[in-house]
This record gives sequence, structure tokens and C-alpha cells, in this order.
Amino acid sequence: DGGITQSPKYLFRKEGQNVTLSCEQNLNHDAMYWYRQDPGQGLRLIYYSQIVNDFQKGDIAEGYSVSREKKESFPLTVTSAQKNPTAFYLCASKRTGFAPAGYTFGSGTRLTVV
Amino acid sequence: DAKTTQPPSMDCAEGRAANLPCNHSTISGNEYVYWYRQIHSQGPQYIIHGLKNNETNEMASLIITEDRKSSTLILPHATLRDTAVYYCIVSAHTGANSKLTFGKGITLSVRP
Repeated sequence: DGGITQSPKYLFRKEGQNVTLSCEQNLNHDAMYWYRQDPGQGLRLIYYSQIVNDFQKGDIAEGYSVSREKKESFPLTVTSAQKNPTAFYLCASKRTGFAPAGYTFGSGTRLTVV
Repeated sequence: DAKTTQPPSMDCAEGRAANLPCNHSTISGNEYVYWYRQIHSQGPQYIIHGLKNNETNEMASLIITEDRKSSTLILPHATLRDTAVYYCIVSAHTGANSKLTFGKGITLSVRP
């Protein structure tokens, strides 16, 4: 079945360490997105990529970095510069083209920094 | 900032229709109305989208007013599994306004 996979589901890291969250999709979607969700809040956009080797900052990009070397993969690195990294991270993808389409989301990675 | 306004919560009885309202008075001509839902601790799930005509699929119906300033998502026969946060989002298909901006959504509680 086609889908979008985020791993790991739970991640614990010590303060000051960089950590990379994985996002892989086999839907042949061109666009991919990273969102952050804090308790009781909506999703906030961190980074997005419309095509391989290109990406743009979202609303809260500070302290994060991404790469898009392959169409299927869009990893997110949470750096030590991110002041409050503990959150639920969601990756999404969307096909681009003539007709509008909904996003497909992964099941998320819950990051806890101690 | 989200470009939609939703009540924070509502409930309905199992088996009854759930009508979830959304206001989007500043919607642009090229923006679609999208609905997603998020069950606790899961990723959001796409439900439906529309431009100006009413839409129906296997999950729900979307009713958009003629002036496009508001819409209603209808779950015809709500079940306990429909308890979730529902997000109403307006977004263009392409260009700078094509990103999804999520507000806090409306929490729907379906009671037995």
C-alpha cells in the first residue's frame, strides 16, 4: 500500500543534541511538508519542498534544517538552536498538478528533549 | 494566521448528523475550502475539499454558501469513531497561498 512513513514514533534526546526525523513516501508525490504540533494547538509549518533539491522555510523554520535529495525522502533535523524542541512532528506529502488534492500525513514522531 | 473561524467544540449523539460550521469571510476567488480531521495523537486525515459547488464523498458532505464566506461539513451518521478535531482550511491550489495553515479546529465529541 502507498503511504507516508515517519520514524521513529517516539524519540528521546538530551538537550543540546541534534536529532534527525525520518519521512519517506512511496506515493510519487512531488511536494512534502513538515509541521510541528504543540499540545492543544494547531499545526505550524516548519519547512516545505515542492521539488527535489529545493525547499522553502515555513512559519517557524528557526532551529530546524531539511534536505530533499530524493523525491521519496524529506528528513528534518532538529538542531540544538531550537529553543523548545519537545513537540509532535508531522510530515505530509501532496501530489502537484492540474487538479487540487488533499495532503497525506504520516503518523507523526513525538520528540521529547530532556 | 488561520483564515478561518470555527467554534472550539461541539457534540452530537451517535447516529445523528453532525454539522460543523466554518467561517471564511476573506476567502479569495482561487482558494478552495479543505477539511481535515485529527484523531488524538495521529496525523490529520484529509476529508473533502470544494471550490464553490457542494461536494459529497464517502466520508462527508461539504456545503459552501453562495457567497463562499462560510461552509458546513456534514457527517450524516456520526459514530463514536468520528470523535476528533476537525480543521477547516482555505488554500489556493498553486502559488504562495497553496500551503495549508491550520488553526485550532473544532473538537467534535460524539456521545453514545
